[in-house]
Amino acid sequence: QKEVEQNSGPLSVPEGAIASLNCTYSDRGSQSFFWYRQYSGKSPELIMFIYSNGDKEDGRFTAQLNKASQYVSLLIRDSQPSDSATYLCAVTGYSTLTFGKGTMLLVSP
Amino acid sequence: DVKVTQSSRYLVKRTGEKVFLECVQDMDHENMFWYRQDPGLGLRLIYFSYDVKMKEKGDIPEGYSVSREKKERFSLILESASTNQTSMYLCASSLSGNYGYTFGSGTRLTVV
Repeated sequence: QKEVEQNSGPLSVPEGAIASLNCTYSDRGSQSFFWYRQYSGKSPELIMFIYSNGDKEDGRFTAQLNKASQYVSLLIRDSQPSDSATYLCAVTGYSTLTFGKGTMLLVSP
Repeated sequence: DVKVTQSSRYLVKRTGEKVFLECVQDMDHENMFWYRQDPGLGLRLIYFSYDVKMKEKGDIPEGYSVSREKKERFSLILESASTNQTSMYLCASSLSGNYGYTFGSGTRLTVV
């Protein structure tokens, strides 16, 4: 059974701080890695993807991938209250994405 | 932008009814998916499809069926709705296996 593990949180950070969200996965054959943001009552929205080891930056977001450690992370710099949401990690499996259950992030003003 | 449209945002049905949830995507994506999402259980895959008239069971297909007669449309059918099928249902599509999914806005189904 392919698994994607995330700490459920909530992760609480003050406005302006760096939020660090982590994800581990079990399938060494996974090739693509995604981060989704889901606001309460809404559907998931793709915010980052990464295919290669290392860092990928997009605005305030940085995705980090370490395939040897089977570890993916998402850093959010200068966190804003509007970043408060649940963040889902997803990893390619044999034929579909496998999703983690998500980490709730709370950014306090 | 890819748009995935689910026909209903909220739906209330009675136990035993046959329920149809419709999903349409406008970007010629090959792959389409149906998930349900429940608190504490995350996203669970019900069925998916790689092509017209093709379907594959996901992790929790029991009590559900699907139909894909046209590439852009993927329907989820609850043969005889039960209260334990009360949930948020999410449709998604993707270009291929290594691409991320685009989700519809979801249908919150309540079975009474």
